[in-house]
Amino acid sequence: GNSVTQMEGPVTLSEEAFLTINCTYTATGYPSLFWYVQYPGEGLQLLLKATKADDKGSNKGFEATYRKETTSFHLEKGSVQVSDSAVYFCALRDSSASKIIFGSGTRLSIRP
Amino acid sequence: EAGVVQSPRYKIIEKKQPVAFWCNPISGHNTLYWYRQNLGQGPELLIRYENEEAVDDSQLPKDRFSAERLKGVDSTLKIQPAELGDSAVYLCASSLTSGAFSTDTQYFGPGTRLTVL
Repeated sequence: GNSVTQMEGPVTLSEEAFLTINCTYTATGYPSLFWYVQYPGEGLQLLLKATKADDKGSNKGFEATYRKETTSFHLEKGSVQVSDSAVYFCALRDSSASKIIFGSGTRLSIRP
Repeated sequence: EAGVVQSPRYKIIEKKQPVAFWCNPISGHNTLYWYRQNLGQGPELLIRYENEEAVDDSQLPKDRFSAERLKGVDSTLKIQPAELGDSAVYLCASSLTSGAFSTDTQYFGPGTRLTVL
């Protein structure tokens, strides 16, 4: 079945460090891929998405590229801020259904 | 524009008691989802509605869980009786679906954190 595997946390970085959170997926067909973010005390928010191979999703300085050859969708940011501290979820929606399958989440903490 | 509204935000009950959660989706969104998020895990879909119809309830434990969306707008998720393992955050989401499946973003509410003692 479809599944998402993402880097276990917690991840702790200093402000202005480079961030990578790895995500790989297993799916049939051509799924859409997402990164959601959950700030403390808030609901899940869509951070970025990509719907086909080689698409790059970007938002708020974050980027992720849909790599079909490696079945990956790694999240990157060149310079993190304290306000980026949150839990990040990689997710996919397969091409035949509306259900989103989430990874287990990666908690990110940024030190000032 | 108001987002997805859920209530209550927190609920503490003893096992074997009933509990209900309410969700009001974003205005105009015809698709509504209920997810359960266990501690340290990602959300898992329980049920999806398109208007009043439950189109995917395959993951809903039907012996104790029930849901309704009578007028195709707000929805209620009920657990009766609750068990210790039901402690989790229950998330509601909505989206606008056209055609065979949703191509639009799912917008999530803040969730209801349930603790069963």
